[in-house]
This record gives sequence, structure tokens and C-alpha cells, in this order.
Amino acid sequence: DVKVTQSSRYLVKRTGEKVFLECVQDMDHENMFWYRQDPGLGLRLIYFSYDVKMKEKGDIPEGYSVSREKKERFSLILESASTNQTSMYLCASSWGRLNTEAFFGQGTRLTVV
Amino acid sequence: SQQGEEDPQALSIQEGENATMNCSYKTSINNLQWYRQNSGRGLVHLILIRSNEREKHSGRLRVTLDTSKKSSSLLITASRAADTASYFCATVNAGGTSYGKLTFGQGTILTVHP
Repeated sequence: DVKVTQSSRYLVKRTGEKVFLECVQDMDHENMFWYRQDPGLGLRLIYFSYDVKMKEKGDIPEGYSVSREKKERFSLILESASTNQTSMYLCASSWGRLNTEAFFGQGTRLTVV
Repeated sequence: SQQGEEDPQALSIQEGENATMNCSYKTSINNLQWYRQNSGRGLVHLILIRSNEREKHSGRLRVTLDTSKKSSSLLITASRAADTASYFCATVNAGGTSYGKLTFGQGTILTVHP
């Protein structure tokens, strides 16, 4: 059974903290993605990676960075957490380039206080 | 940037009825996908339709795609209470460097009453 695992379901952090969200997939997928989901805004792409050590900005990369040192792991880093980064964060992975479905983790609900 | 709009934003029906959700998008696409999300959980892939396909079926799901109108619809027949969830369309843009990157609509919240 394919699996994308996010390290935490719920997380509470203080403003200004450096926050790490971890995502691991066991399907040998090339592509990995980080989205955030907010009510009324749907899912918005933060960053994605199509290979180890490769990363590309999505639609809303400001305030975030990513790391992909191993194929199975993709980390999202909030350099200095702010209250407007309170959101649901979803990690996903997929094969190939075009006609491929994405597999999602269960999500991390981050609250920044 | 959001790809487009989903319509309606919310849909409430009785068990056994059909549910239809619509999705519009803005750019040329390679494929369009539908996902389901149960409350507070991750998304689950339902169906993928390629740009050269017009209709696709999977169990009680029927998806249509009209590339001339840049729109798609998802029909769930004989709905069940367990179908209650949010439904999202997502597109993969045409072109070879998309890496399967999905652009999502805002979703339709479906409630099926027993």
C-alpha cells in the first residue's frame, strides 16, 4: 500500500520560531510537493522537487524554504514562523512528468501563536 | 495562482440522488484530475482524464472534459452518505516541464443526507 507520511498531524509553534515539516514517501517517486490549504483559497503550491537536491518555487514560496537530500524525504522549512502561516500543510508525491496521479499525506495543521 | 473556479461551492442532496460538480480552468492542459478530501484529512485521487479524452467512468463516477470551453464536470450517481466530502479538480498544464505539478480549484463541499 502506497504511503506518504507527514511527521505531525497537529503542531503549535510560536511566532519567530524556525519550523520543520517533514514528509516521507515509500513509493520511489521522483516528484514531491508542498501545498498549503486555507478556507476559500483551495490548495496553493509552495514548492516542489522533481529530483534529489532539485527544487522549484511554486505560487507562494515567500517565507518558506525546502530541502530534499534523499529521494524519499522532502522537508518544508518556515524560516521565522508568522501568524499568517497558520494553515493546513499537505505533502504529495507522484511519478513522472504528466499523466500521473498524486498521493497525499494526511496533512499537518500548523498553528502559529 | 488558482487555475479556475468550481461550481457550486457547496451542494446538499439526499442519499440516492446524483451529484454534479463543475470545474473551469484557464490554461491549456495535459490532463485534469479529481480528488476527494474527507474533513481534515489528505486528498485521495479519484480519476484522471487526458486532454484528448471527452468522457471517463470509474464505478459511480463519470467525468467529462470540454477543452473548447475549458471545463469539466464530475457526476456521482446514486450518492451515499459516505460520499460526503470536499471534491477538488486539479489540472496539469500542457508542456513538458510541468513535472506533474497540479493546480487546484477551490473545491465543492458535498453533503449527502441519509
